[in-house]
Amino acid sequence: NAGVTQTPKFQVLKTGQSMTLQCAQDMNHNSMYWYRQDPGMGLRLIYYSASEGTTDKGEVPNGYNVSRLNKREFSLRLESAAPSQTSVYFCASSGGAIRPQHFGDGTRLSIL
Amino acid sequence: DQQVKQNSPSLSVQEGRISILNCDYTNSMFDYFLWYKKYPAEGPTFLISISSIKDKNEDGRFTVFLNKSAKHLSLHIVPSQPGDSAVYFCAANFGNEKLTFGTGTRLTIIP
Repeated sequence: NAGVTQTPKFQVLKTGQSMTLQCAQDMNHNSMYWYRQDPGMGLRLIYYSASEGTTDKGEVPNGYNVSRLNKREFSLRLESAAPSQTSVYFCASSGGAIRPQHFGDGTRLSIL
Repeated sequence: DQQVKQNSPSLSVQEGRISILNCDYTNSMFDYFLWYKKYPAEGPTFLISISSIKDKNEDGRFTVFLNKSAKHLSLHIVPSQPGDSAVYFCAANFGNEKLTFGTGTRLTIIP
């Protein structure tokens, strides 16, 4: 039972490089989310998708783009990576707004 | 502006005793609250939730209490077990997709 799968698990980038973080869920959930976790700041919502074909900004969307490729997949793209985007990124999915979110194990991203 | 606050970064509790984790929020419009548990190198795992129409929800060893007048949420774990050692996050939303998380409390259960 895979749940939410994120790839890659680790990545090191140089400033200015681009990268796409992949996320897939097998729970037939409508909603998917991208968060970042930084020390002392908890998890902050970057973007979310309430259904296939829709995306909306969260608390910290600047510097990121997302694509809801289909119901299963939701990707996060950094077009020009900056050191401030060094973080652990989590993808999550849920059956709806007041349903619990299920998280992947994260992507640890370092930008030099 | 931190709308969901966990003021205790860490907590140590003897095995078998009660663990009480606290969370305060500032926005009275929040109407759904959740607790998540996180082990190192893993994603958060949902533990228990409560809607604003209730003041208590129980699931096995875990009970969440909501005091709306005080804008305060607490998670009780009884009895505490070594496997409960983890970081605990509270989270809240307005019944929409945007969850706001607290900064987390690291719970250590002492054998």
